[in-house]
Amino acid sequence: ETGVTQTPRHLVMGMTNKKSLKCEQHLGHNAMYWYKQSAKKPLELMFVYNFKEQTENNSVPSRFSPECPNSSHLFLHLHTLQPEDSALYLCASSQVGGASRGITGSYNEQFFGPGTRLTVL
Amino acid sequence: QKEVEQDPGPLSVPEGAIVSLNCTYSNSAFQYFMWYRQYSRKGPELLMYTYSSGNKEDGRFTAQVDKSSKYISLFIRDSQPSDSATYLCAMTGSARQLTFGSGTQLTVLP
Repeated sequence: ETGVTQTPRHLVMGMTNKKSLKCEQHLGHNAMYWYKQSAKKPLELMFVYNFKEQTENNSVPSRFSPECPNSSHLFLHLHTLQPEDSALYLCASSQVGGASRGITGSYNEQFFGPGTRLTVL
Repeated sequence: QKEVEQDPGPLSVPEGAIVSLNCTYSNSAFQYFMWYRQYSRKGPELLMYTYSSGNKEDGRFTAQVDKSSKYISLFIRDSQPSDSATYLCAMTGSARQLTFGSGTQLTVLP
């Protein structure tokens, strides 16, 4: 296990439903991320939070609403989704501002959760 | 043109074969290069990391970066069925936002 948990693991929802995805990291990191992974496509970064402040929003539709109440928890609130939003939603965390794995340089390894498989009917 | 191009496969090889996985990229600002491995029903996990050009070896895995050609490779020697997974290349210039390839699905047949 990587220390990043996500619930639920699977979610099926109608286009008019409201649901939330939850992510929790137990690594003491200060940055958290939401990614969307669709078949045969690269991971798409959706949102980035550093120290609970949203620092990136990569043109994500407003039907996706993130929430980061503290540095260990991250939510993705979903409402009126479309079938094309069906995908694997991955949460990740990292420690921004320090070296990772003893490597020279400032890359900070991102640790991923197992993802939530979302199906929108 | 995508920033990172990666052949999605699928790629099937017999056990013991040498596997070569590749990505090309267009952004010359990238200087950190990573390979992630993603097993079915799991999130990606970092496998190899390289800064700038050169080679890096870790057991059966070797990562190569050629910045002049904007080309990176991952070689797996003596491949095992347990290596069956999707391999994602990723890179960044800012050491924060990662740009991923679409992943190559690898199956190593016993």
